[in-house]
Amino acid sequence: GQNIDQPTEMTATEGAIVQINCTYQTSGFNGLFWYQQHAGEAPTFLSYNVLDGLEEKGRFSSFLSRSKGYSYLLLKELQMKDSASYLCAVLDSNYQLIWGAGTKLIIKP
Amino acid sequence: GAVVSQHPSRVICKSGTSVKIECRSLDFQATTMFWYRQFPKQSLMLMATSNEGSKATYEQGVEKDKFLINHASLTLSTLTVTSAHPEDSSFYICSARGAADNSPLHFGNGTRLTVT
Repeated sequence: GQNIDQPTEMTATEGAIVQINCTYQTSGFNGLFWYQQHAGEAPTFLSYNVLDGLEEKGRFSSFLSRSKGYSYLLLKELQMKDSASYLCAVLDSNYQLIWGAGTKLIIKP
Repeated sequence: GAVVSQHPSRVICKSGTSVKIECRSLDFQATTMFWYRQFPKQSLMLMATSNEGSKATYEQGVEKDKFLINHASLTLSTLTVTSAHPEDSSFYICSARGAADNSPLHFGNGTRLTVT
């Protein structure tokens, strides 16, 4: 079966750095997405990785290792507004999007 | 960036009535649109994939006669919840993808449906 695993919840301190991991087992791979979802709102697109390595976009970076079926989202200089759920999603061989359950990130002052 | 507009953002209806939710891609043509449902503190659940000019593909367990999907143009898809019941109360979110298969999904702002 297809499976995406990410921690259910994480807590971090304002100004710090946090890494949210995602591991996947899917039938084929055509890329991995990270989305941010604030409570009561729809998800917003953060990043897309299809090649191994690190993609940096401001305070957010996303890393992919296809051989390990592993990705992480790195958030630097955390702000209170970063409190949200972070969703990992993989495009399988049929270009179907397989969603993880999301990681709820709690930022404390 | 790509914009997807979803309307209405909130709707309250009585049990037994029908509700239509519209999803529009404002600055790109969306061959494929997706409808999701999300219950509180749960994951996104894909309900159906809507393809312009053809019938929608429903996920297992989703009643196609209850959740009517129409994708009449490259910029508009609608979801109609027919004969709504309180258990249909949920957050419904549409998303659209550009022409490339690996284009990111862009989401509408969602519709919070409450059936009384």
